[in-house]
Amino acid sequence: EVQLLESGGGLVQPGGSLRLSCAASGFTFSSHAMSWVRQAPGKGLEWVAAISGSSNNFFYAHSVRGRFTISRDNSKNTLYLQMDSLRVEDTAFYFCARGQLGAPPRSFDFWGQGTLVSVSS
Amino acid sequence: DIVLTQSPATLSLSPGETATLSCRASQSVSSYLAWYQQKPGQAPRLLIYDTSKRATGVPARFSGSGSATAFILTISSLEPEDFAVYYCQQVISWPLTFGGGTKVEIK
Repeated sequence: EVQLLESGGGLVQPGGSLRLSCAASGFTFSSHAMSWVRQAPGKGLEWVAAISGSSNNFFYAHSVRGRFTISRDNSKNTLYLQMDSLRVEDTAFYFCARGQLGAPPRSFDFWGQGTLVSVSS
Repeated sequence: DIVLTQSPATLSLSPGETATLSCRASQSVSSYLAWYQQKPGQAPRLLIYDTSKRATGVPARFSGSGSATAFILTISSLEPEDFAVYYCQQVISWPLTFGGGTKVEIK
C-alpha cells in the first residue's frame, strides 16, 4: 500500500525557516518524481516544487524560487522541503504528492495527508 | 504560465443528476490535463489524467473529455459521496498549475 506521511510543520515567525519531510512507503521511491503542493486555509491548490526520481532535475513555482529547496534521499525513501525566508503568505497545508510513472511532468496519483505551516509573528 | 479557469465556481445539484464541470486553459495543454476531487479535511484524489483516463478505482460515472484549451469533467448520476470540490491541473509544462476549483454542492 502506497503511503506518504508528511511531518515538520508548525508555527514560525516571518523570516524564519522550517524543513518538511515526507516519508514514503509501499512503492519504489526512486522511480517516481515527487512534488510539494500547498493549500492556504479555505483556498485552492498551488504547486510548489518538484524533483525527479534521480534528483537530476528540480522545478519551482515563481512564488518560492530562491527561498525553498526541494531534495530527496532515496536511501531513506524521504522527500524534503527546506523553506527559508518564510512569509505570512506561505501559511498553508503542505502536501507531498507522487508523480505518475513516466517522464515528468505527470499527474499526481498519491498524496499525503498534509502538514500545516503557519507563518505569523 | 498557463492559467486554468474553472466554471462554474459552484454547482448546486441533487443526487442522481449529472454534473458538467468546465476547465479552460490560457494556451493549449494538448491532452495533458488532470482532474482531482477533494473533500473537506482530506487530500486531493486523482480522478482523471491525460484528459480522459480514469485513475485506478475511480467509478465509471466520472468521465473526462476535451483537448487543447477546453476540457470537461462529467459526473453522471451524482452519488452522495461525489459532493466535493474538483480541480483541474495541467501537466504539459512547468510551472504546473491548477484551476481555482468547482464546488459541487447538494441542492
